[in-house]
Amino acid sequence: DQQVKQNSPSLSVQEGRISILNCDYTNSMFDYFLWYKKYPAEGPTFLISISSIKDKNEDGRFTVFLNKSAKHLSLHIVPSQPGDSAVYFCAAIGNSGAGSYQLTFGKGTKLSVIP
Amino acid sequence: GAGVSQTPSNKVTEKGKYVELRCDPISGHTALYWYRQSLGQGPEFLIYFQGTGAADDSGLPNDRFFAVRPEGSVSTLKIQRTERGDSAVYLCASSRGAAGGRETQYFGPGTRLLVL
Repeated sequence: DQQVKQNSPSLSVQEGRISILNCDYTNSMFDYFLWYKKYPAEGPTFLISISSIKDKNEDGRFTVFLNKSAKHLSLHIVPSQPGDSAVYFCAAIGNSGAGSYQLTFGKGTKLSVIP
Repeated sequence: GAGVSQTPSNKVTEKGKYVELRCDPISGHTALYWYRQSLGQGPEFLIYFQGTGAADDSGLPNDRFFAVRPEGSVSTLKIQRTERGDSAVYLCASSRGAAGGRETQYFGPGTRLLVL
C-alpha cells in the first residue's frame, strides 16, 4: 500500500505560469514532509520541506502548502521556468522510531515546462 | 569530494552472480542510507547506518542483500545470487546524522543495476 501518493504521473505547464504538484499521504505518524527534484541520471535533490506544525513554507519561487486534516500537501512553483522540468518526488518522515529517518517517497510527477 | 559518489554508475550482470555497489558519502556525514528505485516507482528505503553500525536494516528485501560500513565512511551494498527482479537504480544518501530524519539527505547519482 502506497503511504505517499502522487496521483498525477505528469504535468505540462507553460513557461511563466504556475505549476501545482499534489501529494496525499495516509500515515498519520508522518509529521515532516519534503519535496525532492530529480533530473535524469542524477540523484534526487532536496528542494523544500515543511513541518506539520506549519501550513506553509516558502523559498523563492517554491511554496509548499500542508493541509494536515486532509492529509494533503502541494508544491507551487511560480513562475515556472524550463529548467524546472524534472521529476518531483514528495516524501514524508514519521515522528518516532524507525520512521523518523526513513524517507517514504511517492512515485513522482514529471513536470514539463514548455517555453 | 563535494557530494555523494557511487560506483559503478552502471552494472550489468547475469542472474545468479554476486555484485557489490559502493557509496562514498559526503565527508563528515555520520548517517548513510541506501534506497532502491525500481522503474516507475519512488525510491524505497533499504538500510540506514549511523557510524559503522546498521541502525535499521528493515528495508532489505531478503537475506541475499547485505551492506557494510566498516570504518564509518564508505559503504558497500552486496547482493548475492542476483535475480532479474533486483534490476533497479540503487541510491545512496548521507546526512550529518545528529538530528535524525529532519536533516537533509543528500543523494548520489545512483548505480543502475541490470540483471540479465
